[in-house]
Amino acid sequence: GAGVSQTPSNKVTEKGKYVELRCDPISGHTALYWYRQSLGQGPEFLIYFQGTGAADDSGLPNDRFFAVRPEGSVSTLKIQRTERGDSAVYLCASSPVIGTGYTFGSGTRLTVV
Amino acid sequence: KQEVTQIPAALSVPEGENLVLNCSFTDSAIYNLQWFRQDPGKGLTSLLLIQSSQREQTSGRLNASLDKSSGRSTLYIAASQPGDSATYLCAVRRNNNDMRFGAGTRLTVKP
Repeated sequence: GAGVSQTPSNKVTEKGKYVELRCDPISGHTALYWYRQSLGQGPEFLIYFQGTGAADDSGLPNDRFFAVRPEGSVSTLKIQRTERGDSAVYLCASSPVIGTGYTFGSGTRLTVV
Repeated sequence: KQEVTQIPAALSVPEGENLVLNCSFTDSAIYNLQWFRQDPGKGLTSLLLIQSSQREQTSGRLNASLDKSSGRSTLYIAASQPGDSATYLCAVRRNNNDMRFGAGTRLTVKP
């Protein structure tokens, strides 16, 4: 596609529920990143994929968070047993190869009530 | 651990002024540095990317400089316009590929 697409754009869920956030990167981009942005803060790194494998998942806050990229294109960020503190904008970015600039999607605003 | 700081946190200027946004980072072993713009409720738009071997990049009214040894970058905006109002984020890419962001500078340009 022309840009990085994230769906849904907004998600409201109840505490304790499971959610999936989807990222569709620019076609041909091998690197894919997930970030989380809280109000008034810069984005915080969560996980990075090179192809299908998670090259660095050191930013995932705990084992309730998991992400996959089974075919090296679309990625899904999965959050189990959501908590109110998970409320944030989740941003996805992709880049063609290591060392080049990122292109970000518009994000998914997650609200846990 | 890489820490990225942006000063000021907020800035308000009248239209037409030239202005400078500052970014500092603690670990000089960086791969590149990127400046982004973020409008309220929107994603990030890349403005300028400076590789670690470069000193500056220019795009239109924007000029970004990088001084790795001192751990600093500046974003210069010439002849500011109300449409420049947004949050400007600095991000440093480390050699292990993840990026660390500052908290941003919220710019308001008044007509």
